[in-house]
Amino acid sequence: KQEVTQIPAALSVPEGENLVLNCSFTDSAIYNLQWFRQDPGKGLTSLLLIQSSQREQTSGRLNASLDKSSGRSTLYIAASQPGDSATYLCATVRSLAGGGADGLTFGKGTHLIIQP
Amino acid sequence: KAGVTQTPRYLIKTRGQQVTLSCSPISGHRSVSWYQQTPGQGLQFLFEYFSETQRNKGNFPGRFSGRQFSNSRSEMNVSTLELGDSALYLCASSFIPSDMGDTQYFGPGTRLTVL
Repeated sequence: KQEVTQIPAALSVPEGENLVLNCSFTDSAIYNLQWFRQDPGKGLTSLLLIQSSQREQTSGRLNASLDKSSGRSTLYIAASQPGDSATYLCATVRSLAGGGADGLTFGKGTHLIIQP
Repeated sequence: KAGVTQTPRYLIKTRGQQVTLSCSPISGHRSVSWYQQTPGQGLQFLFEYFSETQRNKGNFPGRFSGRQFSNSRSEMNVSTLELGDSALYLCASSFIPSDMGDTQYFGPGTRLTVL
């Protein structure tokens, strides 16, 4: 069974700072890893998807890295803004013995607050 | 392009009743997945459908079932509701199944409250 852990559970930083969110997973047999953000009372917005063969993906101020062998991923947010305040979730799709996948397995998220 | 839509957005039921939730994926998307989100357990995978076939299922009791229609719309049914079924139910869609590396796009969810 895949277990995904996110550290820290909550983070509050002043506007303008660069920050790193961490995600670890127990089973490295993954197809891909995705980072999402969730705003209160809303669904999830996909931020970045990293295939298992890739090391990193970038989108604007966001950069996500993947180290499958160590079971770790990081999400780097540059020059943080108050609008970045949200809960950030990472999730993996794991391959199953005999084929197929088990759907996204999510961490509990990091609740991020950017202070103006 | 319209996003993933879910209906209804809010639902209140009593224990023992059954409920059906609906999800319309983004146009052209053939894969639909369902997730349950609760404060205690977080987000948990329920099942995934692709081209009207269930590809995989999470660790939920048989009271939770789903189906997908030929137009890719999907429904999820929960029978004999329990208090613990109160949750936000999220639907996600993608062009191809999740194990083939496609981004999943989520709807706003259906908030189910069981009294």
